[in-house]
Amino acid sequence: AQSVTQLDSQVPVFEEAPVELRCNYSSSVSVYLFWYVQYPNQGLQLLLKYLSGSTLVKGINGFEAEFNKSQTSFHLRKPSVHISDTAEYFCAVRLSGNTPLVFGKGTRLSVIA
Amino acid sequence: EAGVAQSPRYKIIEKRQSVAFWCNPISGHATLYWYQQILGQGPKLLIQFQNNGVVDDSQLPKDRFSAERLKGVDSTLKIQPAKLEDSAVYLCASSLERVSSGELFFGEGSRLTVL
Repeated sequence: AQSVTQLDSQVPVFEEAPVELRCNYSSSVSVYLFWYVQYPNQGLQLLLKYLSGSTLVKGINGFEAEFNKSQTSFHLRKPSVHISDTAEYFCAVRLSGNTPLVFGKGTRLSVIA
Repeated sequence: EAGVAQSPRYKIIEKRQSVAFWCNPISGHATLYWYQQILGQGPKLLIQFQNNGVVDDSQLPKDRFSAERLKGVDSTLKIQPAKLEDSAVYLCASSLERVSSGELFFGEGSRLTVL
């Protein structure tokens, strides 16, 4: 079965600084990868997804992620964060078949003014 | 386009009581999911429906949890009797296709506190 590991439970960063949120997955077959964001008291919103093709994926709000098959990673990056980026970020994976979305435990990003 | 609707947003009950959550997916979305999100953890799938049929309920605690989607549209998740460890946010999501590349659209969740 596939699984997702988010290496950092909390990441504090100053406003306008760059940030990287790490995600590693385990699967013996090809997968689809997702990053979701959850603002306080709200549902999950898709930031970006990797299905196939270019390994660098651009999403909403200036975020991007790079799929690295050899390292089984899908790290999320933003070159300059804003206060409004403070939220919980979840990495998730699905197999190529009809299987449910499996989430990591999440990383809480706190942007400090 | 209206999003996934869930109610109630908040519910507080005592252990051994029962509770029900309702979800109305995005119009036309055949697949519906219920996830449980315990504080500090990622969402965990409870049950997946394709139209009104169950695709995956392997992680649903069937001794106390039940879910239905009778007409293939809205869905109800019930817990009876509730335990303290059921305190969580219950997220409903829907997707357009059954294939795994599809994006899931989430509702705002129903936060359950069991005292």
